Amino acid sequence: GENVEQHPSTLSVQEGDSAVIKCTYSDSASNYFPWYKQELGKRPQLIIDIRSNVGEKKDQRIAVTLNKTAKHFSLHITETQPEDSAVYFCAASPLGSGGYNKLIFGAGTRLAVHP
Amino acid sequence: GAGVSQSPSNKVTEKGKDVELRCDPISGHTALYWYRQRLGQGLEFLIYFQGNSAPDKSGLPSDRFSAERTGESVSTLTIQRTQQEDSAVYLCASSVIPGPGGYEQFFGPGTRLTVL
Repeated sequence: GENVEQHPSTLSVQEGDSAVIKCTYSDSASNYFPWYKQELGKRPQLIIDIRSNVGEKKDQRIAVTLNKTAKHFSLHITETQPEDSAVYFCAASPLGSGGYNKLIFGAGTRLAVHP
Repeated sequence: GAGVSQSPSNKVTEKGKDVELRCDPISGHTALYWYRQRLGQGLEFLIYFQGNSAPDKSGLPSDRFSAERTGESVSTLTIQRTQQEDSAVYLCASSVIPGPGGYEQFFGPGTRLTVL
């Protein structure tokens, strides 16, 4: 089945710097790759996603890139702010018997942005 | 509108007891998912429901775990004979009909289960 690996597990940056989180996946049939942000004690919330027919997507300070050949995708956060501090999860949606019906998550990256 | 809700928010039980967790999805969302999140770890897929189709149970860790869903509404996750390793936050999510174009899963606040 699908396996998603995420690096680094922790990331510490100064406010204003950029942060990059990388994920690799194993199932070449996976076609949807969301990123979720989870603040302490709260539920995961979608921040950006990308589909397999697109190589890059940007939303203000957040961007995601996808390399289907290499089976990896990355989250880029520019001009980081203290409120960006959270755990970030990548995920991939593999093709199952019933279609694309579940997400396989990476282990998460704990991002700390220091003022 | 209302988001995904779960109850109870916290559950403390003794080893060997059964527990039942409840999830109310967003109205109109036909797909419902259960995940487990152990402390400091990622989300682990458990089970998926879509309409009247047979659920995808491929993530359930053992036969002590089961889940039901009535139509396109409430779902319950039952853990029988709980073990200490079952301690985790159990998250429910719902989405519109998934497809090859992708979809967003909306998560509930979770139920924190502690097995003593």
